[in-house]
Amino acid sequence: DTEVTQTPKHLVMGMTNKKSLKCEQHMGHRAMYWYKQKAKKPPELMFVYSYEKLSINESVPSRFSPECPNSSLLNLHLHALQPEDSALYLCASSHRTSGGMNEQFFGPGTRLTVL
Amino acid sequence: AQSVTQLDSHVSVSEGTPVLLRCNYSSSYSPSLFWYVQHPNKGLQLLLKYTSAATLVKGINGFEAEFKKSETSFHLTKPSAHMSDAAEYFCVVSAGGTSYGKLTFGQGTILTVHP
Repeated sequence: DTEVTQTPKHLVMGMTNKKSLKCEQHMGHRAMYWYKQKAKKPPELMFVYSYEKLSINESVPSRFSPECPNSSLLNLHLHALQPEDSALYLCASSHRTSGGMNEQFFGPGTRLTVL
Repeated sequence: AQSVTQLDSHVSVSEGTPVLLRCNYSSSYSPSLFWYVQHPNKGLQLLLKYTSAATLVKGINGFEAEFKKSETSFHLTKPSAHMSDAAEYFCVVSAGGTSYGKLTFGQGTILTVHP
């Protein structure tokens, strides 16, 4: 299995809702990432997990809460989002964060709309 | 600190003609460099990767990139464009030092292929 899967593909939520995005990989990668991508812009890094521990938080608002239950799964819990949080949320994984074999493999993304 | 500059925001070619997408980078460390492609409403797909083993890197779908340290460039080429190559392309550099796992993206180049 050489892919990263993300669910759901699309999500519409109100500002008071609580929802979660899910990401899964079975490539044995030990680093996983969340990105946010606005239209016509490159992806922006949100969080990095290395060996199931949060290693980078790019000053993301607390209404976004990441979780890495095991080496194959990455969740992003959403609560009290704002309309400006509407974007494509991408998950990625890599063998590790440094040295060789650090290329990241991306999932197809979740298109989030906040009403 | 590191940065990536994609010199063209849009490139338009005719099917069957060569493609050149230009990228310049700066990095405090020996960089890992990547090209990713993103089709509309899709995730990012890795085209190729440079990690110092060879300056000319071959990727998928007939794409190549040449690393030129003296020019700090990593331009992407393809001898003959296909309609399916129409997409957005990102040149990316991977951080070293204390920022392992962080990718720095260029602003992207939208490639249009005319019949």
